[in-house]
Order: sequence, then structure tokens, then C-alpha cells
Amino acid sequence: EAGVAQSPRYKIIEKRQSVAFWCNPISGHATLYWYQQILGQGPKLLIQFQNNGVVDDSQLPKDRFSAERLKGVDSTLKIQPAKLEDSAVYLCASSLGRGKNIQYFGAGTRLSVL
Amino acid sequence: GQNIDQPTEMTATEGAIVQINCTYQTSGFNGLFWYQQHAGEAPTFLSYNVLDGLEEKGRFSSFLSRSKGYSYLLLKELQMKDSASYLCAVRDQGRGSTLGRLYFGRGTQLTVWP
Repeated sequence: EAGVAQSPRYKIIEKRQSVAFWCNPISGHATLYWYQQILGQGPKLLIQFQNNGVVDDSQLPKDRFSAERLKGVDSTLKIQPAKLEDSAVYLCASSLGRGKNIQYFGAGTRLSVL
Repeated sequence: GQNIDQPTEMTATEGAIVQINCTYQTSGFNGLFWYQQHAGEAPTFLSYNVLDGLEEKGRFSSFLSRSKGYSYLLLKELQMKDSASYLCAVRDQGRGSTLGRLYFGRGTQLTVWP
């Protein structure tokens, strides 16, 4: 079974530029998550989708971050404009959305903002 | 929110046993997870506890005491490849139809020496 796919793996941009990340979840997983992991810390949830609807975006800095999950499958996370403190790994995860609801993670996108 | 505490670093030798502790304070509890994360890679699921007691899975076991807000991950017969960060995560009781948000600790960096 294929895992969670993310691209790109690495991205380097200058502050005030825009960037977008893409995620393809495990087939059949209804729930999709975006996390931010700053070096030396655990992942922090940014946004959670159930199918194509947002169920939790309370930790998303909405002035600069946006995310969408069209057709309830793939998702994109965008940052516009980027700040230095956005340098982090952005992880996508997916889960069935029921039962134990174990989250399975992609390899992430490492973003460096210069 | 949640307050999750785990040691920053631990070291052990090959073949030994190591116990990684995690304490948490929660406003609502709906399960505790352990993930393994090698440098530059995705967190991978190790174990899930929602009831008190010990869950054993091969060389890895996880214990939960809900009344004490305490869990540990036990790794037996350590191998070099077990050198990684171990993340403790607590799930809250969620909102609406979701199964709750996952809150991660900072992770415990385990180094296994030959």
C-alpha cells in the first residue's frame, strides 16, 4: 500500500515570497492533516480536513497560510508571504477518520526561508 | 490544550533495554500514541494506548496510566537502527464528528552505542 506522498522534499525561498506544498494521502483515508515541525520540537497541527471540509484550523495563521483539499483527496498548503520563522518541516498525515484513527505521515517538505 | 513532557535525550548500548517516559496533563483524553522519527524522515507509528495497562508489540511495549497521566515506551534488545527521536502524542476528545487533535511532545532523542 502506498504511503502519504508529499512534494517538494525541499524548498528554499526568500522572505516575502510565496510557496506551496502538495500532499496525496493514503487511498481511502477521509481525514488529512497538515503539521508544522520546527527543529527540536514535536509536530504542531495547522489544519485538519474531513473529506473536503475543514474541521480544525484554529492553529493556522490565516493571515499568511491557506490550505485546501479539493475533491476530498489531494491537498495543498500555501504560505504567502513567507517569514523567517516559517522555516520548518511541513508534514502531511492522513487517517481513516474512524476507529483508532491512527495518523500516517509523509516524509515532509523542509522549508528554508532566507 | 495539553502539556506533554518527555526527556530530551537518552543513551543506551546495543542489546540493552531502555524506558522512555512521558507525562501529560490534559483537558480531555482520547488515546496516547508513540511515534519513531529518524532524522529527516516521517514519524512512523509505533503504539497506541487508550486503556490502562501494557501493550506489547515485538521488541517495543507501551504502558499507560490514565489516573497518573503517565506513559512509557519500553524498547528491548536495542539495535543501532533504534537510534531516533521518539515522540509521545496525546489525543484530546475532539470537536463535533472528529476524533480529536493530536498534541506532540518535543521528542526524546535516543542514541544507541555499539
